[in-house]
Amino acid sequence: KAGVTQTPRYLIKTRGQQVTLSCSPISGHRSVSWYQQTPGQGLQFLFEYFSETQRNKGNFPGRFSGRQFSNSRSEMNVSTLELGDSALYLCASSPWTETYGYTFGSGTRLTVV
Amino acid sequence: DQQVKQNSPSLSVQEGRISILNCDYTNSMFDYFLWYKKYPAEGPTFLISISSIKDKNEDGRFTVFLNKSAKHLSLHIVPSQPGDSAVYFCAATLQTGANNLFFGTGTRLTVIP
Repeated sequence: KAGVTQTPRYLIKTRGQQVTLSCSPISGHRSVSWYQQTPGQGLQFLFEYFSETQRNKGNFPGRFSGRQFSNSRSEMNVSTLELGDSALYLCASSPWTETYGYTFGSGTRLTVV
Repeated sequence: DQQVKQNSPSLSVQEGRISILNCDYTNSMFDYFLWYKKYPAEGPTFLISISSIKDKNEDGRFTVFLNKSAKHLSLHIVPSQPGDSAVYFCAATLQTGANNLFFGTGTRLTVIP
C-alpha cells in the first residue's frame, strides 16, 4: 500500500513569506502528526490531528498552524517565515492514536533565505 | 528542555561487532519507548519498542534494554552490518493521553566493513 506522501519535497522561501506543506496519510489512517527536524534539536512535535480535530499541540509559536480534511489529508502552514524555520518537516500517520503505529513520510525540506 | 537525550552524536563500529546506542530521559511519567532508524532523504522508520513494564525486548539482531531506575535505555545491534549505518533516534511517550513522541537528537551509526 502507498506510504505517507509529503509534498513538495523541497521548498525555498524568503523570510517574511508564508508556506503551506501537504501530507497524505496511508489510506485508512486517521491520525496525522507533524514534526520539525533540525540538526541541534532532533525531532520536535508540532501538532496532531485526528478526525479533523487538533488533539495535541507542541511548543511552537502561533505562526505554525495546521488542519486536517475529511479525507484525513493534512496541511501545515507557517506564516511570516524566519530563518530559523529552515528545517525538515515530517508528517506521520497512524491508524488510531497509538504512537507505535506511526509511519513517517520522507519530509519536506524547507529553506528560508 | 530536552526530555530525551542522546549524548553521543556519532558511533563507529566494525562490521560483525556489537553496536550499543544509548538514550537517557528525564520524565519519569514516560511509559513507552521506541527506536527509529533514519536514512538520508527518508523519513524515520520504526525499529523496535519497549513498554515500561518490561526491561528487555528482542527482535532479531536488535535488542532494547530499559533501566527505569536510571531512566536509561539502550539499543544493541548484534552483529552490526554495513546496512545498519544510519541515524538512530530514541523516543518516549505516554501510552495514555497525548499522542506525541519526544525524540532524542539522534546518533549517527557508521558500520565499517
